[in-house]
Amino acid sequence: QVQLVESGGTVVQPGRSLRLSCAASGFTFRSYAMHWVRQAPGKGLEWVAVISYDASNKYNIDSVKGRFTISRDNSKNMLYLQMNSLRPEDTAVYYCARDGARPYWSGYIDEWGQGTLVTVSS
Amino acid sequence: EIVLTQSPGTLSLSPGERATLSCRASQSVSRNYLAWYQQKPGQPPRLFMYGASTRATGIPDRFSGSGSGTDFTLTISRLEPEDFAVYYCQQYGSSPWTFGQGAKVEIK
Repeated sequence: QVQLVESGGTVVQPGRSLRLSCAASGFTFRSYAMHWVRQAPGKGLEWVAVISYDASNKYNIDSVKGRFTISRDNSKNMLYLQMNSLRPEDTAVYYCARDGARPYWSGYIDEWGQGTLVTVSS
Repeated sequence: EIVLTQSPGTLSLSPGERATLSCRASQSVSRNYLAWYQQKPGQPPRLFMYGASTRATGIPDRFSGSGSGTDFTLTISRLEPEDFAVYYCQQYGSSPWTFGQGAKVEIK
């Protein structure tokens, strides 16, 4: 079955960097676009970034532009989110998620990981 | 950016009753690219509906989706105990893709 396992979440000071990882299994990773979606504590969902199946296209929300970079390694079935210049408002559970279509992204998400918590605080 | 507004914020119903959740968009959702997710405490969201009215794999037929343009609805015909949760709509017709604020279906 599909498994998406995130790691890397921790407590980090404002302005510092962090890299999240997501290990994918149970499906042909290289055939799907992948997303990061976040959820602040007690709040709703916010889509963060998407990367195409072959990493040729990436897109993210304005609030993380220039700070967050999504990437993937299809040889290792891994998805990453490099987060720089972290702010308190980036505090959230970050979900790794699979796009519902293949190979080109559709925008809806059919599989989710359990999430990893990032807390930005001094 | 398309803003999605879900109503009501909380729906208090009993098992067996019908639930109707609304999702209104600030502008027309292209190609009715509207999805619904269910989330329970401590769990990730789960896809329930996409394309406004197509049930995801394994979703029972008591769930139905409808709507077009700016107004969409998720209907649960007869609530089962496992249906009490938070539901989010999401539009993926225009970037950035956005979610509604969520609607909680709670046991009355």
